[in-house]
Amino acid sequence: GAVVSQHPSWVICKSGTSVKIECRSLDFQATTMFWYRQFPKQSLMLMATSNEGSKATYEQGVEKDKFLINHASLTLSTLTVTSAHPEDSSFYICSARVAAYYEQYFGPGTRLTVT
Amino acid sequence: RKEVEQDPGPFNVPEGATVAFNCTYSNSASQSFFWYRQDCRKEPKLLMSVYSSGNEDGRFTAQLNRASQYISLLIRDSKLSDSATYLCVVNMGDSNYQLIWGAGTKLIIKP
Repeated sequence: GAVVSQHPSWVICKSGTSVKIECRSLDFQATTMFWYRQFPKQSLMLMATSNEGSKATYEQGVEKDKFLINHASLTLSTLTVTSAHPEDSSFYICSARVAAYYEQYFGPGTRLTVT
Repeated sequence: RKEVEQDPGPFNVPEGATVAFNCTYSNSASQSFFWYRQDCRKEPKLLMSVYSSGNEDGRFTAQLNRASQYISLLIRDSKLSDSATYLCVVNMGDSNYQLIWGAGTKLIIKP
């Protein structure tokens, strides 16, 4: 149980374009989904927290107009990187949790390369 | 002081040996504790939740010391497949369910 999928697993895009990443909880309803990014050899950095039907809460320093998060249902959240630049190249990972539990279950991640 | 501190390692350990990691946390209100493992270029995977009485899962044992605010992970009879980065994770102690992530301890098991 507690399987989270993420799509695409990797993407290469040109500078200035937008990229949408989908995160789905496959066998449970996710009360909250989280979006992280991770640079090589660094720890996870939380970008935002999103609850179904609510606006996402962004961490300090994360531009909400650049990283658009939509959490339309209890099983789907999307992250759109708008007007991507090479410095946005990173490993983006989503996670999901179930009501009353702290454990987070992670998707396999999306490796974004902006050229 | 970081909220969750871990020795980054790497710990180079021969196969079959026992290895232990410690992790300290600063928020005394934290109630939930976890160990995750992360393989290179992969997502973190939940290894163990840490209960106040300590818990064991096969070769893995987790302990919690609230008075000293540290968590430990013991791996017995280490396997080559145990090579990974081990992340210590603590909840913030409030109601928003966010977790605070340690930077991880890298473990390399050598044949």
